Amino acid sequence: QVQLVQSGAEVKKPGASVKVSCKASGYTFTSYYMHWVRQAPGQGLEWMGIINPSGGSTSYAQKFQGRVTMTRDTSTSTVYMELSSLRSEDTAVYYCARGFQVPRDWGQGTLVTVSS
Amino acid sequence: DIQMTQSPSSLSASVGDRVTITCQASQDISNYLNWYQQKPGKAPKLLIYDASNLETGVPSRFSGSGSGTDFTFTISSLQPEDIATYYCQQYDNLALFTFGPGTKVDIK
Repeated sequence: QVQLVQSGAEVKKPGASVKVSCKASGYTFTSYYMHWVRQAPGQGLEWMGIINPSGGSTSYAQKFQGRVTMTRDTSTSTVYMELSSLRSEDTAVYYCARGFQVPRDWGQGTLVTVSS
Repeated sequence: DIQMTQSPSSLSASVGDRVTITCQASQDISNYLNWYQQKPGKAPKLLIYDASNLETGVPSRFSGSGSGTDFTFTISSLQPEDIATYYCQQYDNLALFTFGPGTKVDIK
């Protein structure tokens, strides 16, 4: 069965970067795009961007352009989301989700806390 | 970027009631709209894709309709386990996606 297992919680200081991983299993890794979505405490879902694991092409929400980088490692079936210049407003649960038009399968989420 | 609005932002209904949520896009998105259910502390769960298609395994009391800019999500008979926040999500041909602000559904 499809599984998306994300890395553990992180605590970062303002100005630092964080890199969250999402390890996929149960399907052909390069056949499905992967989204990153975040959710601040008590807030709604916010789409950050998408990566094509086959060629590595990406598309980012304008809000995160210049601050987010999504990459993949096909040898380990893992996608990564790196967010730089962290500020307190980036405190959120970050999810990966598999699919292109229809993100069907989601990781368990990774809490990133930004605090001095 | 395409903006999504959802209404109401919250609602309270009785078990067995029919519940309707609307989602409006700032421009024509054809039927490129999905609906998700999210319970506290959990990842979102896909319920409806491409505006009106019921995801496998999802109870038939959930349904969706609409195209263009106006969409509707309906729970035909609200159950206690349906307490959650519901989000619409659009995708466009530039591979850009947007979620609606969400509708919190409660039991009266």
